[in-house]
Amino acid sequence: KAGVTQTPRYLIKTRGQQVTLSCSPISGHRSVSWYQQTPGQGLQFLFEYFSETQRNKGNFPGRFSGRQFSNSRSEMNVSTLELGDSALYLCASSSTGMGRHEQYFGPGTRLTVT
Amino acid sequence: AQSVTQLGSHVSVSEGALVLLRCNYSSSVPPYLFWYVQYPNQGLQLLLKYTTGATLVKGINGFEAEFKKSETSFHLTKPSAHMSDAAEYFCAVSDGRDNQFYFGTGTSLTVIP
Repeated sequence: KAGVTQTPRYLIKTRGQQVTLSCSPISGHRSVSWYQQTPGQGLQFLFEYFSETQRNKGNFPGRFSGRQFSNSRSEMNVSTLELGDSALYLCASSSTGMGRHEQYFGPGTRLTVT
Repeated sequence: AQSVTQLGSHVSVSEGALVLLRCNYSSSVPPYLFWYVQYPNQGLQLLLKYTTGATLVKGINGFEAEFKKSETSFHLTKPSAHMSDAAEYFCAVSDGRDNQFYFGTGTSLTVIP
């Protein structure tokens, strides 16, 4: 099976712009979670989608949003970018959406905001 | 609520020496526990997981971890470190009722030749 894919891998944006990141989960996986990873804050949970519905949300401002399509592919959007949004954004997929099963991570999208 | 504490943000070992990375968790329900490894510029890769059953769990690349309920710990060990083990290691906990994982802050492992 193909793994989790994320596009693009690298992105440079300017403050105030918006950005959309894409994640394709492993075939058959219905749960997609997004994480922000920074050196200072570590791995922080953004949100999780299961069968097109947002089930869990972390403590991030409303500028961070996401959605999931019927084929389980997911996108996350960040509007009005700030310098502090520079991070590695990781997507993870899971088969059942229950935490007893592991999440499979993509390689991430490295976002740099200038 | 669940949380994870990884003691030691940086650990250095000599090649061939024992690797011990510490993880303590807090959970109001029986936890599901995971160790992930992250190599530079890559995503996280699952090393091993504990859900139920045997408390000593063996994973990939010679790693293992033991679930100790009384100590609320899930430490990761490897008898003999290889240079290729140098990476960032993350412990994570889930309550199994939803898909929210709580990650520790990570431990960077350096292997000295």
